[in-house]
Amino acid sequence: NAGVTQTPKFQVLKTGQSMTLQCAQDMNHEYMSWYRQDPGMGLRLIHYSVGAGITDQGEVPNGYNVSRSTTEDFPLRLLSAAPSQTSVYFCASSRRNRNQPQHFGDGTRLSIL
Amino acid sequence: KQEVTQIPAALSVPEGENLVLNCSFTDSAIYNLQWFRQDPGKGLTSLLLIQSSQREQTSGRLNASLDKSSGRSTLYIAASQPGDSATYLCAVVIGGSGNTGKLIFGQGTTLQVKP
Repeated sequence: NAGVTQTPKFQVLKTGQSMTLQCAQDMNHEYMSWYRQDPGMGLRLIHYSVGAGITDQGEVPNGYNVSRSTTEDFPLRLLSAAPSQTSVYFCASSRRNRNQPQHFGDGTRLSIL
Repeated sequence: KQEVTQIPAALSVPEGENLVLNCSFTDSAIYNLQWFRQDPGKGLTSLLLIQSSQREQTSGRLNASLDKSSGRSTLYIAASQPGDSATYLCAVVIGGSGNTGKLIFGQGTTLQVKP
């Protein structure tokens, strides 16, 4: 079972470059979200979506864009990368129910030089 | 603002020992609390989910308790094994839009179980 798949696994960018982190799930989950994990900060919510065409901001949305055109995919876009965006990014999905556990991908390790 | 704290940050125990990981949160208005395991270089795996109306949940050698009024949860691991070595994260779920929940994470406890 694939679950939540994130690509790429590693990426190095230069300041000012743009890129898209991909996230796909095959569990027909309505809810998808993006977190970043930084040393000493824990995981923090960037953006989330409760279904196709619906997105909302989390705790740290600045510098990131998202869209949700299908149930399966939830890409995260960095329009102009900054060194402060160096982090490990995790995508998660779950049923649209607060008491359902969330399923996480293996993460994308992103370095901005 | 909800804040989640995990103590200790790191723990090293000999194999076979029973151990307790602690998690505290500042606002009792939560829907549930979840414990996750994270192996190095990997994503998070959900271990246990305790709904706000529940006091505890058990899965195998793991038992998680929740005291919402005092803002505390514990994860008890019985008869620890080297394979339990990982980082354990707790997260509380607060309300999001459309009957969804947003996870607020603690910083984790890194556990090492020595053979």
